[in-house]
Amino acid sequence: DTGVSQDPRHKITKRGQNVTFRCDPISEHNRLYWYRQTLGQGPEFLTYFQNEAQLEKSRLLSDRFSAERPKGSFSTLEIQRTEQGDSAMYLCASSFFTGNEKLFFGSGTQLSVL
Amino acid sequence: GESVGLHLPTLSVQEGDNSIINCAYSNSASDYFIWYKQESGKGPQFIIDIRSNMDKRQGQRVTVLLNKTVKHLSLQIAATQPGDSAVYFCAEGGANNLFFGTGTRLTVIP
Repeated sequence: DTGVSQDPRHKITKRGQNVTFRCDPISEHNRLYWYRQTLGQGPEFLTYFQNEAQLEKSRLLSDRFSAERPKGSFSTLEIQRTEQGDSAMYLCASSFFTGNEKLFFGSGTQLSVL
Repeated sequence: GESVGLHLPTLSVQEGDNSIINCAYSNSASDYFIWYKQESGKGPQFIIDIRSNMDKRQGQRVTVLLNKTVKHLSLQIAATQPGDSAVYFCAEGGANNLFFGTGTRLTVIP
């Protein structure tokens, strides 16, 4: 299966710790997105990359969040000094942009901050 | 149908019946719409999409209807099966990303 893969699937951490998630997109896709989803809500856009360039960041992405896509392939999302409000599912998606955004999602990383 | 709020709308249907899930969108300038299905513990899975120059599009057992006049989108699932039980999201295409609604939980009763 060459879909979007995310690692880890689950992460439990203590408040104040740093966490890093990884996303491997579909190989030929040039765009990569990070979304956050809380229980009972739809995914909320955080940021996206076109190749290695980070082109847009949501106001939801506080200074404690940083994302990279150094070689235009996989991406990492780091959260520093985690807070309980960061507990959510972090979804990665990719697309081959052709004028509309049909995104292919991974299974997500479920973060629990204790 | 979908709405902004803390409570997830729900729809229960008998196996074999048709399902209709509704969605109201906000941006009259949106020109692309997409439906996703999300099962527990999984990421959203693409079902069907439609551009604003169309008002209907059909897939396998699914049909999406778009009414731009009232900014309304619906997903019809024919002959609903137990495997269709999931949360369904509509999303509208922005310049460079998708904006999702709250979702509707579909439960299929065997």
